Amino acid sequence: AQSVTQPDIHITVSEGASLELRCNYSYGATPYLFWYVQSPGQGLQLLLKYFSGDTLVQGIKGFEAEFKRSQSSFNLRKPSVHWSDAAEYFCAVSYSGAGSYQLTFGKGTKLSVIP
Amino acid sequence: ETGVTQTPRHLVMGMTNKKSLKCEQHLGHNAMYWYKQSAKKPLELMFVYNFKEQTENNSVPSRFSPECPNSSHLFLHLHTLQPEDSALYLCASSQDSPGGNTIYFGEGSWLTVV
Repeated sequence: AQSVTQPDIHITVSEGASLELRCNYSYGATPYLFWYVQSPGQGLQLLLKYFSGDTLVQGIKGFEAEFKRSQSSFNLRKPSVHWSDAAEYFCAVSYSGAGSYQLTFGKGTKLSVIP
Repeated sequence: ETGVTQTPRHLVMGMTNKKSLKCEQHLGHNAMYWYKQSAKKPLELMFVYNFKEQTENNSVPSRFSPECPNSSHLFLHLHTLQPEDSALYLCASSQDSPGGNTIYFGEGSWLTVV
C-alpha cells in the first residue's frame, strides 16, 4: 500500500531563514505528488503539485518542491520564511490509474516561525 | 475562497441529535469527497462520489450517512454520534481525469459531540 512519511512533526525557524520540509513516499509507480498547507481552524490549501515534466515545481506563496525519484522524495522549500507561513504542511501522493480518491496524506509537519 | 463551501463552520450536537453538514462546489468538478481530520491522526477519507455515485466507503460507521443529490452538492447526515466523532470534517472536490487529479478542499466543519 502506498504511504507518505513526513519525518518532522514540528519545525521551528526564524523569520527570514530558509525552510525545507521533508516528504518521502513509498511504491514504485509514477507518483502524483502534492503539498497542502493548513492554517489553524482552516481547510487545506493546495501549495503545489507534480504530475510530470520538470522535477522542480513552483507553487504559491514562494514555495517550491523538487521530485527526486532516486530518493522517493518530494521536499518542500522556501528561501525566506515569513511569519504568516506558520501553519501545518501536508504532503500527499496518488498514482496514475489509482483513481483520484487514492490520495494518501502524511501526518503533517507543523511549522512555527520565530519573529 | 477555494470554490468549495461548507456549512455550518461549527456545530455542537448531543449524542441523540440528528444534524447535517452541507458542501457545495462551484468548480464544475465531477467528484466529491468527505474527509475526517482528528487531532494527532492523518486525514481519513470517508466517502467518495463520482458523477453522483458513491464509489468509496472506507468502513465508515452507519451513523454517518452521505448524500449526493447532484455533482455540485454533498451532504453528510449525522445521527447518534459519539464523542470520539468530534473532529474537523472536510469536503473536497476534483475533476476526475486520467492525467492526474487535484483535490480542492473546503474550509471544514468543526463538529463537537457532547
